[in-house]
Amino acid sequence: GENVEQHPSTLSVQEGDSAVIKCTYSDSASNYFPWYKQELGKRPQLIIDIRSNVGEKKDQRIAVTLNKTAKHFSLHITETQPEDSAVYFCAASPYDKIIFGKGTRLHILP
Amino acid sequence: EAQVTQNPRYLITVTGKKLTVTCSQNMNHEYMSWYRQDPGLGLRQIYYSMNVEVTDKGDVPEGYKVSRKEKRNFPLILESPSPNQTSLYFCASSLGTSGIDEQYFGPGTRLTVT
Repeated sequence: GENVEQHPSTLSVQEGDSAVIKCTYSDSASNYFPWYKQELGKRPQLIIDIRSNVGEKKDQRIAVTLNKTAKHFSLHITETQPEDSAVYFCAASPYDKIIFGKGTRLHILP
Repeated sequence: EAQVTQNPRYLITVTGKKLTVTCSQNMNHEYMSWYRQDPGLGLRQIYYSMNVEVTDKGDVPEGYKVSRKEKRNFPLILESPSPNQTSLYFCASSLGTSGIDEQYFGPGTRLTVT
């Protein structure tokens, strides 16, 4: 079945710098790749997603890139702000299932 | 207000005592799903349902049952809970008319099995 690896598990960046989180997946049938943000004590919320017919998608300070050949996708956050501190999960969806990565805890340092 | 609700929010129970966690959505979504979240393991899908009377196993279905008799409700049943099912559980729903898409999560249910 599908397996999603996410790196790093923890990431600290200075406020204003960029953050990059990377994920790899194993099932070539996966065609939907969402990213969720989970603040402490709250439910996960979608921040951006991409489908396999698109290589890159951007929404203000957040962008996602997908390389289907290499089976990896990445989340890029530019000009990080204190409110970006959270746990981020990538996911891949083959057919109608969804498999999440183990998460990246992002710390924004003042 | 469009939302996914779960009840109860917190539950402490003993090994072997059957329990049900309810999940309801008011967005007329086709797709519903249950996840468990454990430290260091992320979110893992337990069961999902594409539509009424259609349910399928996710990654970690052992020890759980679900049913989808109505579109809005998707209860999670633990017939004989064990301590390794202590976890934070999330229900989610999505439009799902053409495959999986944005999941709207409920507030979570923290379950402790002693």
